[in-house]
Amino acid sequence: NAGVTQTPKFRILKIGQSMTLQCTQDMNHNYMYWYRQDPGMGLKLIYYSVGAGITDKGEVPNGYNVSRSTTEDFPLRLELAAPSQTSVYFCASSHLDRQETQYFGPGTRLLVL
Amino acid sequence: EDKVVQSPLSLVVHEGDTVTLNCSYEVTNFRSLLWYKQEKKAPTFLFMLTSSGIEKKSGRLSSILDKKELFSILNITATQTGDSAIYLCAVLRDDKIIFGKGTRLHILP
Repeated sequence: NAGVTQTPKFRILKIGQSMTLQCTQDMNHNYMYWYRQDPGMGLKLIYYSVGAGITDKGEVPNGYNVSRSTTEDFPLRLELAAPSQTSVYFCASSHLDRQETQYFGPGTRLLVL
Repeated sequence: EDKVVQSPLSLVVHEGDTVTLNCSYEVTNFRSLLWYKQEKKAPTFLFMLTSSGIEKKSGRLSSILDKKELFSILNITATQTGDSAIYLCAVLRDDKIIFGKGTRLHILP
């Protein structure tokens, strides 16, 4: 199993550009999450999904969109990149009955200039 | 508003010392309290605490939850340089996990 994979690993965007951060898990997990982690800070939940076709906002959803058309994939979309979105983005997944054990992807480092 | 507050935010100790990391929370529909260790990349799971007063142990790490005071501590005894990391406290509620800002622990050799 590859676990949770994220692409790209690193990206530089100009203000106003858009991009999609990809996340895929091969563990058949129901739950998937997107977090951002700013330097020296903990994780903040952006969006989460409890299953295909269902998404919900977390703490900091503004400026982002998600979709969950399949169990495996949970892409995060930035429409108009802003410097405040410079961060490390982690995708995670967990099983329905073991939500506390979240499997994290390696992260995507995003720099918006 | 749900919140998870960790203290201290940063801690520097010498190898061999014992450290105590604190986590307080105010979260509706509490299910469990979680501790994670984050080194260079993604967090890794340490403990899940659901009941008050029951200590969880893993080697030199231990943790306990007080649901009346809405508080948890993570203890690390005989610290080693490999314990240097960010320790994240989080609360599982409903369908999501709310993280604290973390405690950055640095162990000096």
